[in-house]
Amino acid sequence: QSALTQPASVSGSPGQSITISCTGTSSDVGGYDYVSWYQQHPGKAPKLMIFDVSNRPSGVSNRFSGSKSGNTASLTISGLQAEDEADYYCSSYASSSNVVFGGGTKLTVL
Amino acid sequence: QVQLQESGPGLVKPSETLSLTCTVSGYSISSGYYWGWIRQPPGKGLEWIGSIYHSGSTYYNPSLKSRVTVSLDTSKNQFSLKLSSVTAADTAVYYCARRTSSSSWYYWGQGTLVTVSS
Repeated sequence: QSALTQPASVSGSPGQSITISCTGTSSDVGGYDYVSWYQQHPGKAPKLMIFDVSNRPSGVSNRFSGSKSGNTASLTISGLQAEDEADYYCSSYASSSNVVFGGGTKLTVL
Repeated sequence: QVQLQESGPGLVKPSETLSLTCTVSGYSISSGYYWGWIRQPPGKGLEWIGSIYHSGSTYYNPSLKSRVTVSLDTSKNQFSLKLSSVTAADTAVYYCARRTSSSSWYYWGQGTLVTVSS
């Protein structure tokens, strides 16, 4: 299984919206509604932000939203804040209980 | 409150076996969920290593399958990782985590850095 494809970096100004894409195949992203997104600040463990494509865990801001079309999933952050600056990773179920992660995207808040 | 904590040697010699344990508190690992290991080489992305269901069924990353063993110790509420024949490429922060049936990792340990070096 190959890693999911994410842009290496994205940036935006406070208050703006940004979208991070996550492209896989019909064997992972396209085949199941089991895409998750994680936020990771330097030196910290990843934090689950979105699960099952578009669901937010309790306590996660509604500024974070997820969607999927075909083999590509997306994470949108609206009303960008300085604290959103972090690395973001997508992951997907990939049959036979396997899991595949994306390469990660560094979000810079300008 | 579910908490996970990794433990094990921080330095392993090349060709030897890396062994880590994850101690879980706040939930009995025999009651449900998948439990697994994820690693992150310095400055790089996340890589799923393997998972074990509470029943004992195991699932491994195909690229690591020949070297990985994940096991449960329900008496101690722990699960473990063994990675054999390690090389410098296995140097990483290793996380243990709890996975849902849809493959979302909600609870994570703080991570432990394992360096492979002679």
